[in-house]
Amino acid sequence: DIVMTQSPLSLSVIPGEPASISCRSSQSLLYSNGANYLDWYLQKPGQAPQLLIYLSFHRASGVPDRFSGSGSGTDFTLKISRVEAEDVGIYYCMQGLEIPRTFGPGTRLDIK
Amino acid sequence: EVQVVESGGGLVEPGRSVTLSCTTSGFTFGDYAFGWVRQAPGKGLEWVGCITSKAYGGTPGYAASVKGRFLISRDDSKSTAFLQMNSLKTEDTALYFCIRQIDRATLADWGQGTQVTVSP
Repeated sequence: DIVMTQSPLSLSVIPGEPASISCRSSQSLLYSNGANYLDWYLQKPGQAPQLLIYLSFHRASGVPDRFSGSGSGTDFTLKISRVEAEDVGIYYCMQGLEIPRTFGPGTRLDIK
Repeated sequence: EVQVVESGGGLVEPGRSVTLSCTTSGFTFGDYAFGWVRQAPGKGLEWVGCITSKAYGGTPGYAASVKGRFLISRDDSKSTAFLQMNSLKTEDTALYFCIRQIDRATLADWGQGTQVTVSP
């Protein structure tokens, strides 16, 4: 199975400041079609997870443009340009290249 | 509006079975694959399995932890997907989410989940 790791596992951010989360996979997520099968999800407190970024850098519908994804192969990054209070929650990366799909352990973001 | 709603959860004894349903609306059900993800209390997300659209064979795939015990199916005429859970164990206790997938595996539209508690 592909193992997903994330760092940091928690971060505390002042509103208006940037934040960055790293996700690494144990093998390349680059498919023959040129896409990287790496998605980012946010689970806000008490809610179901929601899709933020798919195929490494595509922003999902309705996701604010302060969220961006980048990376290829085994190293990926989610960036929030200016953190807002509503961004609190746990961020997960997930690989969609192989079955079983696997999630990272999650990164908890809170407001300082 | 896309809607995904899980049902069928509850309290069940170890070794017994339960079937979760995932009813949907707002899109053409048959065009999409569906996934199931669970979350044990206080834990992260665990992928359970998925089923492709009929165009790709309606083929299910499973996590090792549930393979041979869980069965994913779909009824396109009812716009509903199912997760049949057999030989349940206490470690299957979790909130179970059904998700409409896009592309190869992206979990695009999540339901609110249904709780399954396995306890004597």
